[in-house]
Order: sequence, then structure tokens, then C-alpha cells
Amino acid sequence: AQTVTQSQPEMSVQEAETVTLSCTYDTSESDYYLFWYKQPPSRQMILVIRQEAYKQQNATENRFSVNFQKAAKSFSLKISDSQLGDAAMYFCAYRSGGGDDKIIFGKGTRLHILP
Amino acid sequence: EPEVTQTPSHQVTQMGQEVILRCVPISNHLYFYWYRQILGQKVEFLVSFYNNEISEKSEIFDDQFSVERPDGSNFTLKIRSTKLEDSAMYFCASRWLIRTDTQYFGPGTRLTVL
Repeated sequence: AQTVTQSQPEMSVQEAETVTLSCTYDTSESDYYLFWYKQPPSRQMILVIRQEAYKQQNATENRFSVNFQKAAKSFSLKISDSQLGDAAMYFCAYRSGGGDDKIIFGKGTRLHILP
Repeated sequence: EPEVTQTPSHQVTQMGQEVILRCVPISNHLYFYWYRQILGQKVEFLVSFYNNEISEKSEIFDDQFSVERPDGSNFTLKIRSTKLEDSAMYFCASRWLIRTDTQYFGPGTRLTVL
């Protein structure tokens, strides 16, 4: 079975600085998708970024980028120029490319932005 | 931009009562999901639904749970006899057609069982 591990329960970063959230996963599949979801205090799940495993190029979305290391099964999220609105719970997630359609989530990392 | 909506935002119920949580997926989406998040824990998959039938369910989704698409727009989750441990945030999600399509989540319904 696939698993997603986020080893940092909480992190803090100064406003305007850069922070990296870690995620590792375990799978025997070669075709899959990885995601970072943001959950602000309102508790809505918002997709931040997604990465297809077959793509070597790391995904980027404005200030958000990932470092996808397929061999190491690592998928970290880098947030540049951190803003107060980035304060939230961040979940790393996995979805199989075939077979199961469900998303498997990690336990999350709570990110605090210090003014 | 189209979005998934859920009602109510917060539901309080007595143990043993039936509850129905409602979701309106994005209008042209064909695949629907329910996930739940017990406070302080990770989000867990409950069930997926396509073409008016369940396509996958987790061990959590036992006989007290059921899902339905009663009309062309709503997607519901029913819990027949609620237990204290059903207290959680319940998220509905939907996606369009192709497997590569992203699942979009609704804002969630907070269920409190007393």
C-alpha cells in the first residue's frame, strides 16, 4: 500500500523568507501523481501544486515550487517570499496513475508565518 | 470559477440520529468523492462514485454509510446512526472525466455528534 510521510508537524518562517516543507512517499508504482494541498483556518482544501511522476521537470506555480526526486521518493514544497496568507496546514498527497482513484494524504505540516 | 459547494457548513446531531450531508459538485464533473478528517488527523478517503454507483470504498465506509446522487446536481452522504467517533470534517470532491484530472474539494461540513 502507498504511504505519504510528512516528518515536520510544524514549521515557522519569517515573512518574505523562503521555507521548504518535506514529504516522502512509498509506492511500487511507476505512474502516479503528487500534490500539495493547503488548508487554511477555514479548513477548505485548496490545491497548491501538482506533479506528474513521468515528468522530470519540477512543477512551479508562482511562488510555489517543488523538488521532485523520484528515485528518492521525495517531494518537497518550496514557498518563496512567504506571505501572511500562506499560514495554513499543508498536506502532501499521492494518487495512483492507474487502479485506485483515491487520494492518500500525509499528516500535514502546520506553517506559521512570523511578521 | 466553478467550485464544489457543501451544506450545511456545520451540523450538530445526537448520537444515534441520521444525518445527510449535501454536496453540489462542479456541474460537468462525473466522478465524486467523500473524504473525512477527524480533528488533528489526516484526511482519509471514504468512497468514490461514478455512473450512479460506488466505484471504490474504504474500510471506514461500512453499512452505516451510504451515498446517493438523487438528481442531476446533488451528491449526498448519509450516516444512518451516528456515533461519537463520526465527529469530523467531511469533504466532498469531484473531478471531470480523465484520470489525470484534478479532484476539486468543497469547503467541508463539520459534523459534531453529541
